[in-house]
Amino acid sequence: DAKTTQPNSMESNEEEPVHLPCNHSTISGTDYIHWYRQLPSQGPEYVIHGLTSNVNNRMASLAIAEDRKSSTLILHRATLRDAAVYYCILRHWVNTGNQFYFGTGTSLTVIP
Amino acid sequence: DAGVIQSPRHEVTEMGQEVTLRCKPISGHDYLFWYRQTMMRGLELLIYFNNNVPIDDSGMPEDRFSAKMPNASFSTLKIQPSEPRDSAVYFCASTQGLDYNEQFFGPGTRLTVL
Repeated sequence: DAKTTQPNSMESNEEEPVHLPCNHSTISGTDYIHWYRQLPSQGPEYVIHGLTSNVNNRMASLAIAEDRKSSTLILHRATLRDAAVYYCILRHWVNTGNQFYFGTGTSLTVIP
Repeated sequence: DAGVIQSPRHEVTEMGQEVTLRCKPISGHDYLFWYRQTMMRGLELLIYFNNNVPIDDSGMPEDRFSAKMPNASFSTLKIQPSEPRDSAVYFCASTQGLDYNEQFFGPGTRLTVL
């Protein structure tokens, strides 16, 4: 299994940047790094993904280490609506298609 | 589009009873996934389908669990007989294309087995 390791929980003050770390030391060359988040009482939703280069979109930025064994999801200005569980996932290719391995994620608390 | 639709949203049943969870994927999506979420184990992939055909069911916990997709717009996950340890939130997700990046999740079904 392509696994990731994340802290169980983190806190951030509102309107400050948040850096959510993820370790994936067993990543293979073809594994993409994905981030999803799950708001309370909802299903997970896609945030961002990348392979080697850093990525930006309207929700967040993804910084990938040069050796790809770790990555960081960056929320530039945390809002109360960003309080959620954030999952770092490896999209692993097998001959039957892509596989996603969700773990237990990082629970982000945003303090007003 | 209404998104992925799951029913029921909540189900309470007694041990030994049969439970059927239902999912309608987003129209046009050719992949459908069933996940289970618990506090202890997080979000686990149970099974997924491509064009209504089961591709990988290695995550299905045991023979009490079965899933079907009779057509492109409907799938079921059945537990028979149910046990208290099956209590969890079950999510259905769908997406399009082999090289997909984004899965679209439904709101989930919270199952409680007494």
